Amino acid sequence: QFVLTQPPSVSAAPGQKVTISCSGSSSNIGNNYVSWYQRLPGTAPKLLISDNNKRPSVIPDRFSGSKSGTSATLAITGLQTGDEADYYCGAWDSSLSALVFGGGTKLTVL
Amino acid sequence: QVQLQESGPGLVKPSETLSLTCSVSGASMRSYYWSWIRQPPGKGLEWIGYIYYSGSPSYNPSLKSRVTMSLDTSMTQFSLRLSSVTAADTAVYYCARGRSSSSRHPGDWGQGTLVTVSS
Repeated sequence: QFVLTQPPSVSAAPGQKVTISCSGSSSNIGNNYVSWYQRLPGTAPKLLISDNNKRPSVIPDRFSGSKSGTSATLAITGLQTGDEADYYCGAWDSSLSALVFGGGTKLTVL
Repeated sequence: QVQLQESGPGLVKPSETLSLTCSVSGASMRSYYWSWIRQPPGKGLEWIGYIYYSGSPSYNPSLKSRVTMSLDTSMTQFSLRLSSVTAADTAVYYCARGRSSSSRHPGDWGQGTLVTVSS
């Protein structure tokens, strides 16, 4: 259903590291920038990472992004309970001429 | 700092047209992409489309036949019209500004507004 594929859920303990994957194709991730968004319960999405790995100044360096081929990864270190949220990847799809998102990954901090 | 605020009816009848406005304050609308994104209850994000400050729109192919976006000539707000709505169009609708003047990726978002399609 979603052009970009994310795991439905991930979990880890406070203080640990977690990674969230986002898999696409050459028409989107493979040849275009990836962004990552965090949606805390009851709030609007917030931009975490742009252009594959650039972090807005207000985002802590615990959050980082990377891309390899047609996949991208969001890494969060030093997990905090406040990081519990839904995370979405997004990329422009040149074939569809559309901005496409992953289905979202729910992060649980145990 | 830019602020975006969605406004419009929270309830729309099936087959009618959904109309929303996004009011922009704190920044000029020039040289940016202005988007609409929605999120149905319990589901993921769906890009509806964007309109560039010059007035050039781009729409999601899956919605293109029903979507119209426009930019107010005062350059303080932009609008979304979605025709022939069904229950599947029930969602929280967000407006957003591109991350930078050259980016189509949303950077700043409005708080969102829930639109329910029901008779």
